[in-house]
Amino acid sequence: GAVVSQHPSWVICKSGTSVKIECRSLDFQATTMFWYRQFPKQSLMLMATSNEGSKATYEQGVEKDKFLINHASLTLSTLTVTSAHPEDSSFYICSARNLITHMEETQYFGPGTRLLVL
Amino acid sequence: GENVEQHPSTLSVQEGDSAVIKCTYSDSASNYFPWYKQELGKGPQLIIDIRSNVGEKKDQRIAVTLNKTAKHFSLHITETQPEDSAVYFCAASKRSGGYQKVTFGTGTKLQVIP
Repeated sequence: GAVVSQHPSWVICKSGTSVKIECRSLDFQATTMFWYRQFPKQSLMLMATSNEGSKATYEQGVEKDKFLINHASLTLSTLTVTSAHPEDSSFYICSARNLITHMEETQYFGPGTRLLVL
Repeated sequence: GENVEQHPSTLSVQEGDSAVIKCTYSDSASNYFPWYKQELGKGPQLIIDIRSNVGEKKDQRIAVTLNKTAKHFSLHITETQPEDSAVYFCAASKRSGGYQKVTFGTGTKLQVIP
């Protein structure tokens, strides 16, 4: 299979605090994971590409110091939203590729994490 | 960069009718075109995909067609059911910087009326 999980599913925090979101590939190893952000009634926008054992690659306009990504193992990537503000409230979704059983193009998505910053 | 346009933004059909969603892309280097279904509050689920060396692919009630020359591809759902109601995203993917970079369309909210 190609199951991706995220934790937590939703989080509410105060402005100025940091929030960590975990993305796990449950039944396969993922050398590459992707982090997306989705605002209400909008499409998914790629934020960064997470690589196991190396630095993440951020898309243009995404602040690397604000959205810290760590891909410490082949099954876990974390996204930390530092000093969160209300405008960071969004639906954050990760995806991963299973290179062993699927073509490298196919991405499988997690269930998403809804972040609300008060 | 790649630009993917998707139409219509909303679509209502009667149960049992067919639904068609169309997308266009701009970058001729794109070679992989997945379609995702997203239910409210959930992550996108891959429902079908097509590669640039194929013109059509079918999986039960779902089919996708690709016209590389015109740079457009379409999703066809036949015999629609209420559980097909969701937001559907098309996407175009190409190799960029060592990865397959995916660009999503703007989404189509499909409502199947019982």
